[in-house]
Amino acid sequence: EPEVTQTPSHQVTQMGQEVILRCVPISNHLYFYWYRQILGQKVEFLVSFYNNEISEKSEIFDDQFSVERPDGSNFTLKIRSTKLEDSAMYFCASRTMRTAKLFFGSGTQLSVL
Amino acid sequence: AQKVTQAQTEISVVEKEDVTLDCVYETRDTTYYLFWYKQPPSGELVFLIRRNSFDEQNEISGRYSWNFQKSTSSFNFTITASQVVDSAVYFCALSEARQGGSEKLVFGKGTKLTVNP
Repeated sequence: EPEVTQTPSHQVTQMGQEVILRCVPISNHLYFYWYRQILGQKVEFLVSFYNNEISEKSEIFDDQFSVERPDGSNFTLKIRSTKLEDSAMYFCASRTMRTAKLFFGSGTQLSVL
Repeated sequence: AQKVTQAQTEISVVEKEDVTLDCVYETRDTTYYLFWYKQPPSGELVFLIRRNSFDEQNEISGRYSWNFQKSTSSFNFTITASQVVDSAVYFCALSEARQGGSEKLVFGKGTKLTVNP
């Protein structure tokens, strides 16, 4: 079965540094998402992306965050200046136009020191 | 605003017991989707089921069954004859269903299920 691929699986960074989390969604999918899960807490929506633009974003997704689909396959989440509270598991997800079923990647565990 | 409540934080059962995970939701939408996802210790989110709000038929898939009750805004998940491999955190989620919408998922806090041998 096709899957959403995320790299790296773990990322450690210093506070204030920029990080880019990478995702390769399933090839025929058109909607893309980032979610995050702080340790022990629920999964929270960050942003959705369709037709090369953000379609919706949460309050968490402030000016420090950005997303990009630089080519036909990758979907990236950039955090410009990381804070300690950005430490979380970040999940990428995608879906087709026809179904609400989201396919999630395995996540990138981001640790900000 | 949409909200999902999973009142059970942790459940521990012995193998072969049946277990029901509760999920109660709130939404103003007349059309929506409900989901269950499984998060095993390895961390990924595994899709289990999606139901439309207009389809209240209960569903069974092997040892898994789901009870959707619109009157009580509940979408409970039952595992019959639980196994150790069922140990995971289970998330209930809700999304709106509107054409052209982003259909973001709103998750509950999850229920950690431990099945002991």
